[in-house]
Amino acid sequence: EAQVTQNPRYLITVTGKKLTVTCSQNMNHEYMSWYRQDPGLGLRQIYYSMNVEVTDKGDVPEGYKVSRKEKRNFPLILESPSPNQTSLYFCATRGKGTGVNYGYTFGSGTRLTVV
Amino acid sequence: AQSVTQPDIHITVSEGASLELRCNYSYGATPYLFWYVQSPGQGLQLLLKYFSGDTLVQGIKGFEAEFKRSQSSFNLRKPSVHWSDAAEYFCAVGRGGSYIPTFGRGTSLIVHP
Repeated sequence: EAQVTQNPRYLITVTGKKLTVTCSQNMNHEYMSWYRQDPGLGLRQIYYSMNVEVTDKGDVPEGYKVSRKEKRNFPLILESPSPNQTSLYFCATRGKGTGVNYGYTFGSGTRLTVV
Repeated sequence: AQSVTQPDIHITVSEGASLELRCNYSYGATPYLFWYVQSPGQGLQLLLKYFSGDTLVQGIKGFEAEFKRSQSSFNLRKPSVHWSDAAEYFCAVGRGGSYIPTFGRGTSLIVHP
């Protein structure tokens, strides 16, 4: 079964304590992306990756880091979390090409609270 | 730059009534257009997408959407809403080859029994 797996689903942490949210996909997709979802703002892209070792900033990259050392994994790193990073985070992947294969598959989300 | 507007933050309908959720986009070329649904506590699920050809697109769960270039719109419709359709709906636009789809802010659908 095609899956995008995020962990953890829920996380409460304190300001400044480094954390990592993992994302793993089993579809051999090249493209992966992280979004945050906030009420009234929809989904905003944080970072995306076109392939292994290729990453780029999205619309709201400040305070986040990513890495793409292998195709299946795309972790999101918060080196020093702050309360304004409290949000619902989604990882998404996309198959190569256009047409019928175009469209992201989303993970189930990670709800992060920074106190 | 591409953008998506969903003018309605909330929509309330009665079960069995018809539904139309509005989406307007701004993009210079022919866009790729999508509708996603997010049930409470879940990730986003693709309902349907438009790339080219027939402007009336059929999706899953009985939904359809019509692309109207002259109005820059891609409205989502369903003839008879079920209580299980209560969710958040997102319209998105993406350029072919782009890895950055732009999402609207979402419309929350409330279904009354």
